[in-house]
Amino acid sequence: DQQVKQNSPSLSVQEGRISILNCDYTNSMFDYFLWYKKYPAEGPTFLISISSIKDKNEDGRFTVFLNKSAKHLSLHIVPSQPGDSAVYFCAAGVNKFYFGSGTKLNVKP
Amino acid sequence: SAVISQKPSRDICQRGTSLTIQCQVDSQVTMMFWYRQQPGQSLTLIATANQGSEATYESGFVIDKFPISRPNLTFSTLTVSNMSPEDSSIYLCSVKTGSSYNSPLHFGNGTRLTVT
Repeated sequence: DQQVKQNSPSLSVQEGRISILNCDYTNSMFDYFLWYKKYPAEGPTFLISISSIKDKNEDGRFTVFLNKSAKHLSLHIVPSQPGDSAVYFCAAGVNKFYFGSGTKLNVKP
Repeated sequence: SAVISQKPSRDICQRGTSLTIQCQVDSQVTMMFWYRQQPGQSLTLIATANQGSEATYESGFVIDKFPISRPNLTFSTLTVSNMSPEDSSIYLCSVKTGSSYNSPLHFGNGTRLTVT
């Protein structure tokens, strides 16, 4: 049974607008949450993370929000750029991490 | 973050054979993991590679099929044994460099395995 889910397989956004990627998890013991970006033929690249003691973490254009009661996290990218086009994975866990199925983001110029 | 090198980067193998994938890190790391990404799927955790002891496998993965070694803090191998076409995947080594629970994972570029 999948413990981390990304229900949107794809998302298309206009350049300069906000991209919002969503992720849900089922295990209430998870206390660390991460987002990765992946290009074809490369390994996932770490983007941003958040621990369970916070509800928001910001790094430049990227912000991750955590709603523990809903077991939901989201990644906001503002403003979106064509170079952000990639597959985004969320991950959650304690010491070891489980990944969602990914959302393919396409940022149109 | 650590530089993670995986060998081979890709291979085409015949069913029934075995392939050993190497993962070398340029610095000592606390934890090493092996993941698999089947075509169009998510990253699935195979096992935690424990230094000097047997790996800890996730549900659905067994040592006879995926033996793992980790002789020191910078190196690990994953063997895919008695391969079938269903084993065609990208196999990824990942490491945790920090000791605290809130340290991110970093990944190598993976090994793309095709079994014919």
